[in-house]
Amino acid sequence: QQQVKQSPQSLIVQKGGISIINCAYENTAFDYFPWYQQFPGKGPALLIAIRPDVSEKKEGRFTISFNKSAKQFSLHIMDSQPGDSATYFCAASIYGANNLFFGTGTRLTVIP
Amino acid sequence: NAGVTQTPKFQVLKTGQSMTLQCAQDMNHNSMYWYRQDPGMGLRLIYYSASEGTTDKGEVPNGYNVSRLNKREFSLRLESAAPSQTSVYFCASSFAVGSNQPQHFGDGTRLSIL
Repeated sequence: QQQVKQSPQSLIVQKGGISIINCAYENTAFDYFPWYQQFPGKGPALLIAIRPDVSEKKEGRFTISFNKSAKQFSLHIMDSQPGDSATYFCAASIYGANNLFFGTGTRLTVIP
Repeated sequence: NAGVTQTPKFQVLKTGQSMTLQCAQDMNHNSMYWYRQDPGMGLRLIYYSASEGTTDKGEVPNGYNVSRLNKREFSLRLESAAPSQTSVYFCASSFAVGSNQPQHFGDGTRLSIL
């Protein structure tokens, strides 16, 4: 049973456009939501994370939006660049707990 | 700056063979993890080690054993490999255990079991 549902599976965006990846969860005990970025042949790397005490967190061109009532959160990549082409994973867990539950991943391709 | 190093990078096994995947980190982290990554499944935690001398099961531990050899090294063993264990295996480390601690991943071991 997938604890975190992620969509879309793949995404193609023009350079300069906005990339949006969505995730949903069921476990209301989850209170930590990180996003990981993975380039081909490499391991995932932490990109940005949010806790539900805020509805939005921004770091450079990357923004997480969080909707607690809907149990959804999303990653927005503004001014998308070809170098952003990678697979993005959302994840969720109980803050400080040992197990991090990952979504199934979104392969983003940014075309010049 | 090596970070997390996994060996081997690729391996092909026959059903029933045994294999140990090696992982070492040079960041002086206390906690280490083993994940498997399968298409359409994301990453799933197999085992983790909160600190040297301790290991605990994750989400999918069946068919695997682990050893925390010292603070730097954490190995994953498949005693009798099965085709269902074909996957990409990632080792990760963090300063301390807990999902809020950033985990640093190696580049993975691609394992095929025929």
